[in-house]
Order: sequence, then structure tokens, then C-alpha cells
Amino acid sequence: AQKVTQAQTEISVVEKEDVTLDCVYETRDTTYYLFWYKQPPSGELVFLIRRNSFDEQNEISGRYSWNFQKSTSSFNFTITASQVVDSAVYFCALGSGTGSYQLTFGKGTKLSVIP
Amino acid sequence: GAVVSQHPSRVICKSGTSVKIECRSLDFQATTMFWYRQFPKKSLMLMATSNEGSKATYEQGVEKDKFLINHASLTLSTLTVTSAHPEDSSFYICSVENWDTQYFGPGTRLTVL
Repeated sequence: AQKVTQAQTEISVVEKEDVTLDCVYETRDTTYYLFWYKQPPSGELVFLIRRNSFDEQNEISGRYSWNFQKSTSSFNFTITASQVVDSAVYFCALGSGTGSYQLTFGKGTKLSVIP
Repeated sequence: GAVVSQHPSRVICKSGTSVKIECRSLDFQATTMFWYRQFPKKSLMLMATSNEGSKATYEQGVEKDKFLINHASLTLSTLTVTSAHPEDSSFYICSVENWDTQYFGPGTRLTVL
């Protein structure tokens, strides 16, 4: 069975602070995909990143960065110099070896960035 | 990526009525679409996988006769909540898969009175 754990239910930071959202996953598949999605108050899920299990390179996109570590089954997400617009619920998700079929979502982390 | 729309964005209906929600893939022909529901402050739960031209595959615990799915074309899937009850009130979201990534629609908020 697949499982995604986002231990942080809610996080509050002051604007410009850095924040890391944790994601730990469990799977028996040797090939799998990991995702992060952002859900702002409007409700629409916005795709942020996809990572294949065989690609452990960390990735940076602007103020966003992701740290994928297979040894600890973690795929953490860091926002540098947070902004109020970053306030949202962030979901980590795990896809089976066939891609994003049968996505398993974590419970989400609600991030509040205070001006 | 993929651009996905849903209609309506919000619907309020009386208990016992049926409600149809449309999910459209605007820039991509999707043989498969997914339907999720999300309760307030909760995560997304997959309800069913919608396959173009064939029957949908429902997740365990999801009533097929309650949540009718029709995927009649490569760009449109519909979810009909039949004989809706207040406990069906939720946020319903569809998605399409493109190049191993699911892209989500804006969601439909259903309130059953």
C-alpha cells in the first residue's frame, strides 16, 4: 500500500522567512513519481513539480526548491523568502509506476504567510 | 501541461435532486480523467477513473449508482450525483493526465440543502 505523510498540519511564518514543508512517503514500487501541488483559497490545485524515483537531483525554481532523498523516503519542499501569495494548502502526492495514475495524496500542509 | 475546466463552479440543490458536473479538457485529448472529492480541510479522495468510451472504474466504497460517470468524448467527462443528500455536499474536482502528470480543474462546490 502507498502512503504519504505530511506531518505538519499548519505552519505560520512571517513574510520573507524561509519555510520547509515535509513529505515522507511509503511505497513498494521501484518506479514511482512524486508531486507537489498548491491549493490556494480559490480551490484549484496547481501543479508545482513532478519527480521520478530514479532522478534524485534536487531542483530549484525561483524561490521554490525540492529535496528528494530516497534513503529517507522524503521529498521536502522549501520556499525561500516567503510571500503572502504563498499562503495556501500544499499537497504532496505519490504516483504509481505507471505515472500519476492512482495518486495518493498526503493530508496537506496549510501555510500562512503573515505580512 | 493541460488546461481543465469544470462547470458549474458552484451549485446549490435541494435534497433528492440530481446534479451534473462537467469536466472539460480544453487543450488536450484525454482518454482518461479522474474524479475526486474533497471535504473541508481534508485531502483529496479519488472517487473514480473515467475512461473514454468505456465504463468508469470506481474506488472501493464509492457507489456507482449514486455517482454516474460518462466519458463520451476525449474532451468531456460528466459526473452526475443522483438523488443528492446533504452528506454529498463537498468539493468535487476532476483531473486529466498528460505526460505522467495530473492537471486539475478548478473544482465544483456542491451544497445540498
